Amino acid sequence: DIQMTQSPSSLSASVGDRVTITCRASQSITNYLNWYQQKPGKAPKLLIFAASSFQSGVPSRFSGSGSGTDFTLTISSLQPEDFATYYCQQSFSTPPTFGQGTKVEIK
Amino acid sequence: EVQLVESGGGLVQPGRSLRLSCAASGFTFDDYAMHWVRQAPGKGLEWVSGINWSSGSLDYADSVKGRFTISRDNAKNSLYLQMNSLRREDTALYYCAKGAGESFYYHAMDVWGQGTTVTVSS
Repeated sequence: DIQMTQSPSSLSASVGDRVTITCRASQSITNYLNWYQQKPGKAPKLLIFAASSFQSGVPSRFSGSGSGTDFTLTISSLQPEDFATYYCQQSFSTPPTFGQGTKVEIK
Repeated sequence: EVQLVESGGGLVQPGRSLRLSCAASGFTFDDYAMHWVRQAPGKGLEWVSGINWSSGSLDYADSVKGRFTISRDNAKNSLYLQMNSLRREDTALYYCAKGAGESFYYHAMDVWGQGTTVTVSS
């Protein structure tokens, strides 16, 4: 199975900050990397698919990049509604696997 | 509106069985793969099982292989998860998720239900 490792596990940031979350795969997954946002008590929501493609309705302050084994989710200017946990997930091969999550908290 | 509604969760004793259902609406169900993903209390997301559009390809996490069975009824726009020999570590919120393509790999999970809670306890 492909292992997905996110860093950091948590971070504290202020509104307006630029935030970067990284995700590393244990082997190349080309661009089969997806990002999800989960708020407390809610279902996950797809933000980015295929490493850098926006899901419909996702604000442009979110962006994804990377290929192979190393990927990044960037929030250019953190907004109050962005405080949540973010997960990466590889869809290159079965079983699909998730990173452990990165919790973005208010500083 | 695209919608997934899970049902069938509850409190069950270890070793017993439970069947989860997911009712889909708002999209052409038999065009897409489907998944079950779970989240134990306070933990991250764990993929459980996936099935392609035709039921011709499916897979399971090692943690449930041999105990859980995924199936779908395209005529009823429904996805199922038969869970046998339940263990305490199966306690979680179980989400139904729609794949963004026919296969359960190569594509993201673009629509999620609100989940149904399974608690395995004596």
